[in-house]
Amino acid sequence: KQEVTQIPAALSVPEGENLVLNCSFTDSAIYNLQWFRQDPGKGLTSLLLIQSSQREQTSGRLNASLDKSSGRSTLYIAASQPGDSATYLCAVNRGTYKYIFGTGTRLKVLA
Amino acid sequence: DTAVSQTPKYLVTQMGNDKSIKCEQNLGHDTMYWYKQDSKKFLKIMFSYNNKELIINETVPNRFSPKSPDKAHLNLHINSLELGDSAVYFCASSQDGSGAYGYTFGSGTRLTVV
Repeated sequence: KQEVTQIPAALSVPEGENLVLNCSFTDSAIYNLQWFRQDPGKGLTSLLLIQSSQREQTSGRLNASLDKSSGRSTLYIAASQPGDSATYLCAVNRGTYKYIFGTGTRLKVLA
Repeated sequence: DTAVSQTPKYLVTQMGNDKSIKCEQNLGHDTMYWYKQDSKKFLKIMFSYNNKELIINETVPNRFSPKSPDKAHLNLHINSLELGDSAVYFCASSQDGSGAYGYTFGSGTRLTVV
């Protein structure tokens, strides 16, 4: 059974810091992994989709890496801003009609 | 222009009532999903539908009955609502069941049962 864990559960950093959010999964037989952000009271916004054959994906200040064999993905946020404050969720896909979501990391970036 | 739209956004109702949530996607996707987000913000799959057919029912009580009239719509009807049904319900879609191109989520329906 796939289990997905995100560490840390919560993070508070001053503006401008570079930070790393971690996602671990127990079953390495995945199809892809998607990172989302969720603002309070809002839906999920897709950030990055990384296929199992890829090692990383980049979008602006965001970089996601994937190490399938060790069951890990990281989301790197460069030069964090207060607008980055949100909950970040990773979701693992085995191509079987469902995503398994992680437990989330609540990020607060202080001005 | 919303890709995946859900209605209503908020729903407050009494225990024992029956309610429905509607979802529509205009992306031309074949596969649609319902997820439940609990008070601890954990998202869990409830149902998956592919081209109107039920693929996954993740041990959801049979008070919950999804219906897909066509592949662009997936509605969720809940009978005899209980306090524990209070949560945010998200609809999502993907091009197909492999999820090769990722999932797109709606903005959620916050259900409060009092």
